[in-house]
Amino acid sequence: EEQLVESGGNLVHPGGSLRLSCAASGFTFRKYAINWVRQAPGKGLEWVSSIGGGGDSPYYADSVKGRFTISRDNSQNTVSLQMNSLRVEDTAVYFCAKGVAMIGGPFDSWGQGILITVSS
Amino acid sequence: DIQMTQSPSPLSASVGDRVTITCRASQGIHNYLAWYQHKPREAPRLLIYAASTLQSGVPSRFSGSGSGTQFTLTISSLQPEDVATYYCQAYSRAPALTFGGGTKVEIK
Repeated sequence: EEQLVESGGNLVHPGGSLRLSCAASGFTFRKYAINWVRQAPGKGLEWVSSIGGGGDSPYYADSVKGRFTISRDNSQNTVSLQMNSLRVEDTAVYFCAKGVAMIGGPFDSWGQGILITVSS
Repeated sequence: DIQMTQSPSPLSASVGDRVTITCRASQGIHNYLAWYQHKPREAPRLLIYAASTLQSGVPSRFSGSGSGTQFTLTISSLQPEDVATYYCQAYSRAPALTFGGGTKVEIK
């Protein structure tokens, strides 16, 4: 069974940093893109970032470009999202999601999500 | 950037009703369109991809259609367990993967 588990959520002050992790199991990890999607309180889903199966091709939504960095370790079946210069509007539940191919979507497996709160 | 617009929201219907949700893309995306179901405190679930292909395990009362810029998700007979928010997603311009604003489906 495919499984994705997020960790690293927390309360952080504006301007602070946080690192999220996504641990995957149940599939050949290196063959699939992994994505981060977030949902702010009372809002819809927003795609945040993706990384190709080979660890190349990192991409970001304009709202996080230059502040967030995605990376993956195919030997450990993990993906990380380094979040710097956090803003109040980054407050959201963050989901990691597996793509159906090496790059792109759609997303056929999702984690349960983890809450990031940015507040002073 | 591609913009995805969903309607209506919210949507209130009775058990057994046929329900249709519309998603419009700001530019043509062929059939690179997916639909997701999202219930509170749960992971989103892929229902349909390639505009009309049912994901494995999804009940047959769900169906999708459309191509280009206009797409629909239909629930042929609304069930209580279908109460959720539904999102469309364009994935033609990977890796930019845009979601629609969501349609909240409620039972009357």
